[in-house]
Amino acid sequence: ILNVEQSPQSLHVQEGDSTNFTCSFPSSNFYALHWYRWETAKSPEALFVMTLNGDEKKKGRISATLNTKEGYSYLYIKGSQPEDSATYLCAFEDGNNRKLIWGLGTSLAVNP
Amino acid sequence: GAVVSQHPSRVICKSGTSVKIECRSLDFQATTMFWYRQFPKKSLMLMATSNEGSKATYEQGVEKDKFLINHASLTLSTLTVTSAHPEDSSFYICSARSSYGMGYEQYFGPGTRLTVT
Repeated sequence: ILNVEQSPQSLHVQEGDSTNFTCSFPSSNFYALHWYRWETAKSPEALFVMTLNGDEKKKGRISATLNTKEGYSYLYIKGSQPEDSATYLCAFEDGNNRKLIWGLGTSLAVNP
Repeated sequence: GAVVSQHPSRVICKSGTSVKIECRSLDFQATTMFWYRQFPKKSLMLMATSNEGSKATYEQGVEKDKFLINHASLTLSTLTVTSAHPEDSSFYICSARSSYGMGYEQYFGPGTRLTVT
């Protein structure tokens, strides 16, 4: 059974703090690693799709790194803002069938 | 761009009735659409994958006669929950992917909360 683990499960930070989350995934049959941001009552929003070991991607204050050999990815948020409050999901794309296996997400709350 | 709508957002139905959920790609052609289900405190679980014009491929444990999926056009897929039971109460969400140069992303609808009484 393929498993994707995310930690921490939830996080409360103050506005201006920087934070990071972890996504662990199988190190075999890797095709891609996806990060999504999901606000309540909205559609999950694609943040990054990462495919190569050592990839680093950045979008504004959010960045992500990828280590496919050891099976982990980090998502970093610099200078958190209240509008960053959401659940951050990662998904492992299986190279055998291109299906996404999802983690449970990290719920981030940024206090003003 | 890459907007997916889903309707209805919330539905309550009686046990034994059928419910249809629509998923539309508004500004791109969705060659593949995915239907997921999420139970409380659980991760998104893939139910089925559908390619336009062909039969859906269901995941193990998902009854194809109960969860009817139709992907008749490049912009619309429907999921019909037939003879709904209270245990079918869940959050259902669709996503769409295009093979026409749009990369790896799946674009999601906002989901449908189904409650069966």
